[in-house]
Amino acid sequence: RKEVEQDPGPFNVPEGATVAFNCTYSNSASQSFFWYRQDCRKEPKLLMSVYSSGNEDGRFTAQLNRASQYISLLIRDSKLSDSATYLCAAVPPWSNSGYALNFGKGTSLLVTP
Amino acid sequence: ETGVTQSPTHLIKTRGQQVTLRCSSQSGHNTVSWYQQALGQGPQFIFQYYREEENGRGNFPPRFSGLQFPNYSSELNVNALELDDSALYLCASSQAGQGVSYEQYFGPGTRLTVT
Repeated sequence: RKEVEQDPGPFNVPEGATVAFNCTYSNSASQSFFWYRQDCRKEPKLLMSVYSSGNEDGRFTAQLNRASQYISLLIRDSKLSDSATYLCAAVPPWSNSGYALNFGKGTSLLVTP
Repeated sequence: ETGVTQSPTHLIKTRGQQVTLRCSSQSGHNTVSWYQQALGQGPQFIFQYYREEENGRGNFPPRFSGLQFPNYSSELNVNALELDDSALYLCASSQAGQGVSYEQYFGPGTRLTVT
């Protein structure tokens, strides 16, 4: 079982809609979580960090549910420019992998006019 | 922009050859991590360097090796290239130490094609 799992989508939503992605992680001792946005053939860009129960930045809200071991990302009032792949990452406790980011495969979002 | 740079941007090699990829970390960051991203997959952790030493390693064979220099820049070397090594290689810069956030910032990547 992969350590971080995401629904690959694609999620096709109209402009202005609200969309939510979930990401589950297997290591209950994971300490930090991140959402990255990746445009086609570009590098991942850090969107949000989640250390406690959640985080909010404008139209974006991330929530952490430690009991159920998932992180969610909510995007309100979707814009055409939000179309991208959204990657979830978890940092497990320090091990022989240092402070590696364990990524999911990503969820594809397409916002249409 | 993250301030993390990588070179070259694209590279084509043949099976069996060796390749060196380079990364300059963001100013003030002391840690560099390398990831391999195959098409349609999330980035996979290769290894991490902190203060010029390997600080952790993912599930990659020994023909993947690296270095970190005193200025915190880093190299990734891959020997005996295989077709499956074709991927986007990403370098990520971060600041490790007590109380830090473990946020990692990626460079633009090097796209390696092995034929």
